[in-house]
Amino acid sequence: AQSVTQPDARVTVSEGASLQLRCKYSYSATPYLFWYVQYPRQGLQLLLKYYSGDPVVQGVNSFEAEFSKSNSSFHLQKASVHWSDSAVYFCALSLVTNAYKVIFGKGTHLHVLP
Amino acid sequence: DTTVKQNPRYKLARVGKPVNLICSQTMNHDTMYWYQKKPNQAPKLLLFYYDKILNREADTFEKFQSSRPNNSFCSLYIGSAGLEYSAMYLCASSRSQITGQLYFGEGSKLTVL
Repeated sequence: AQSVTQPDARVTVSEGASLQLRCKYSYSATPYLFWYVQYPRQGLQLLLKYYSGDPVVQGVNSFEAEFSKSNSSFHLQKASVHWSDSAVYFCALSLVTNAYKVIFGKGTHLHVLP
Repeated sequence: DTTVKQNPRYKLARVGKPVNLICSQTMNHDTMYWYQKKPNQAPKLLLFYYDKILNREADTFEKFQSSRPNNSFCSLYIGSAGLEYSAMYLCASSRSQITGQLYFGEGSKLTVL
């Protein structure tokens, strides 16, 4: 069955530091991949998406993610975090054969120390 | 306007009683979803409507009902709440031509006592 694994439940970094949030997926083909973010007291919002082509995709607020087919991964990165980036980040995939179904990981709580 | 609204935001229900949660969107999206989110778990897809066609996940098929009286509204109905239904329920909508781009509401937190 298809699945998304986010191995880090919680990540703490200092403001200005670089960030990588890890995401691994399980699917026999190349899925569509997404990162969503949930700020406190808000709904989930799409941060970036990968459909095909260039494995590095850019998103809002200077986030980017890199797709690796060989590693079945889609890690999220940011060169310099701000305290306002503190939120829960969800990695997700949808299937090429059933694009309506979006499968989420458990999420990673990011805490940025000011 | 990219708003998805959910009501109520908080719901307290007794075991065995029905629960009805409401979702609305004004973006004219053709697809609407309901997810269940429990602490330390991934959002779990319960069902979705594409236009007027309801698709329910196999493992929750008999536990949840839904209706979509028009394009803007979608409800989630629990006929007899059990303790295991306590969770955050997330509604989302999307345009089917844009794969995976879901717009979420803030959620309805259901507590069953």
